[in-house]
Amino acid sequence: EAEVAQSPRYKITEKSQAVAFWCDPISGHATLYWYRQILGQGPELLVQFQDESVVDDSQLPKDRFSAERLKGVDSTLKIQPAELGDSAMYLCASSSQPGMTYEQYFGPGTRLTVT
Amino acid sequence: TQLLEQSPQFLSIQEGENLTVYCNSSSVFSSLQWYRQEPGEGPVLLVTVVTGGEVKKLKRLTFQFGDARKDSSLHITAAQTGDTGLYLCAGPLGSGSRLTFGEGTQLTVNP
Repeated sequence: EAEVAQSPRYKITEKSQAVAFWCDPISGHATLYWYRQILGQGPELLVQFQDESVVDDSQLPKDRFSAERLKGVDSTLKIQPAELGDSAMYLCASSSQPGMTYEQYFGPGTRLTVT
Repeated sequence: TQLLEQSPQFLSIQEGENLTVYCNSSSVFSSLQWYRQEPGEGPVLLVTVVTGGEVKKLKRLTFQFGDARKDSSLHITAAQTGDTGLYLCAGPLGSGSRLTFGEGTQLTVNP
């Protein structure tokens, strides 16, 4: 069964350092999402790609966060510099096309701890 | 303010009991989805409901979409320890494909 791949699964970094997360969506899925989930809360969208283009980054803290999907397949989310408040689970999801059901398939996530 | 309110926030029951969790909004949604998330993992899609009044069953799980498409419920019959997890409802915002999530119901089923 096709799955969304993410790496690393866990990352510990010191504040002010740079950190990057990688996501490989399900093959053929044109839409890719990055979410942040704080413990005990639902995921919140950071950025949405349609192929290689950003279609929604309204909730992305652009002073320190960046995301790219250069060839419209895999994607990288970067934080520089990391802050203590960035500690969270970072989830990647993909969908074949928006459609009306908006079903998204999530990867296992990257648990980030900033010390 | 959460667009999707889930209740209860926490639920701890014994194996074999029945339970219902709720997802409510003042807004109309074209569809709602339910996900289950286990600790340290990403959410897994359980079901999508689209039509007002729709009922879908997934083994011991029954999902209902309200007639006005503003609310949904998840009923679990004879809960098992494997049902333990965070249950999230989600729905699309506006005309785009962006999903908004509720804060979830953390279910613990004790043996």
